[in-house]
Amino acid sequence: QVQLVGSGGGVVQPGGSLRLSCAASGFTFSSFGMHWVRQAPGKGLEWVAFIWYDGSNKYYIDSVKGRFTISRDNSKNTVYLQMNSLRAEDTAVYYCAKGSFSVASALDSWGQGALVTVSS
Amino acid sequence: QSALTQPRSVSGSPGQSVTISCTGTSSDVGGYNHVSWYQQYPGKVPKLTIYDVNKRPSGVPGRFSGSKSGNTASLTISGLQAEDEADYYCCSYAGDYTYVFGTGTKVTVL
Repeated sequence: QVQLVGSGGGVVQPGGSLRLSCAASGFTFSSFGMHWVRQAPGKGLEWVAFIWYDGSNKYYIDSVKGRFTISRDNSKNTVYLQMNSLRAEDTAVYYCAKGSFSVASALDSWGQGALVTVSS
Repeated sequence: QSALTQPRSVSGSPGQSVTISCTGTSSDVGGYNHVSWYQQYPGKVPKLTIYDVNKRPSGVPGRFSGSKSGNTASLTISGLQAEDEADYYCCSYAGDYTYVFGTGTKVTVL
């Protein structure tokens, strides 16, 4: 079955950087787009970024454009989120999620999440 | 990219039906038949419950159903069970491979 294992979370100072990873298994990783979604403590879900199956196109929520970069390595079945110029409001659990076969339809499987805390 | 609007909470007794609304705009909910719903227990990972407005993934009980009218989508849980007590989030495709989630609704089983 689909398994997504996130890693790389931690505590970072404002203005700092962090890279999250999400290792995938149980499906043909190179055939599906991948998402990152975040959830601030006690708050709702917020879509952050999406990358095409082949990495050729990337999309972001406005609040992270120019600071975050989504990427993937299909040879390692892994998707990444490079986060730079971090702010306190970026504090959240970050989930990776698999896009559905019809990309627009849904995020059909989710990883366990990585907690990112931005604090001095 | 404003969050879709959901009621903060809904409640019902076991066996009753509850409906959660999800209101957006013509740029998201009203513009595409790609509304999905996610169930999330406290401290747990969200789980896809409905996709493409009214389709259920395999393994999701038939008491969960979805619909849409104009800029508002809805999730109905019929025959409410104790295990349905959770947070529920709608999500809509918003064009150009972007997505927007709802504010979330806590379902309480009385």
